[in-house]
Amino acid sequence: AQKITQTQPGMFVQEKEAVTLDCTYDTSDQSYGLFWYKQPSSGEMIFLIYQGSYDEQNATEGRYSLNFQKARKSANLVISASQLGDSAMYFCAMSGLISNFGNEKLTFGTGTRLTIIP
Amino acid sequence: SQTIHQWPATLVQPVGSPLSLECTVEGTSNPNLYWYRQAAGRGLQLLFYSVGIGQISSEVPQNLSASRPQDRQFILSSKKLLLSDSGFYLCAWSAARDRLLYEQYFGPGTRLTVT
Repeated sequence: AQKITQTQPGMFVQEKEAVTLDCTYDTSDQSYGLFWYKQPSSGEMIFLIYQGSYDEQNATEGRYSLNFQKARKSANLVISASQLGDSAMYFCAMSGLISNFGNEKLTFGTGTRLTIIP
Repeated sequence: SQTIHQWPATLVQPVGSPLSLECTVEGTSNPNLYWYRQAAGRGLQLLFYSVGIGQISSEVPQNLSASRPQDRQFILSSKKLLLSDSGFYLCAWSAARDRLLYEQYFGPGTRLTVT
């Protein structure tokens, strides 16, 4: 079974500062994917970034980067130069096989509510 | 580009009434489709997933059901709603690619309140 742990229920960060959102995971799979999603107050889940378990380099997407430490089973999200629009819930998730046909299932953490202070 | 639609956006239903939520995807063929539920202040729970027309798998046994009558249409239903069915329902799709693991894209969601 897979498990995602996000230990920060809420964070307050000054605008323009960098912020790190913590995520640790547990799985017995050799191949897996790690994802971060942003959920603003509107409710929509917005895909931010993906890291494959065999990717040697940390993933980056604009101001988002994923600090992947496989031995520690952590996949922290780093947001550089935070903006007011970054205020939202952030969910870490990992994918695993539903069946032998390679169908996907995402297991989500409980989320971190990030508030950017002007 | 791909687009995913959900309706209605909000719904208030009495206990014991039926439910039908619809999700459609545009701009892709043969997507994997998913229904999730998010209780207030919680993470997402996978309810159903589908890899093709008429192929539905359930992750959590409950009084909800799902159907996929067309390639890009996914419907969540209930014959009799319970108070515990209240929540935010999200539909998602994913596409098969070379790599084993791929991201899912979510619709805008339906906020259901059972009274």
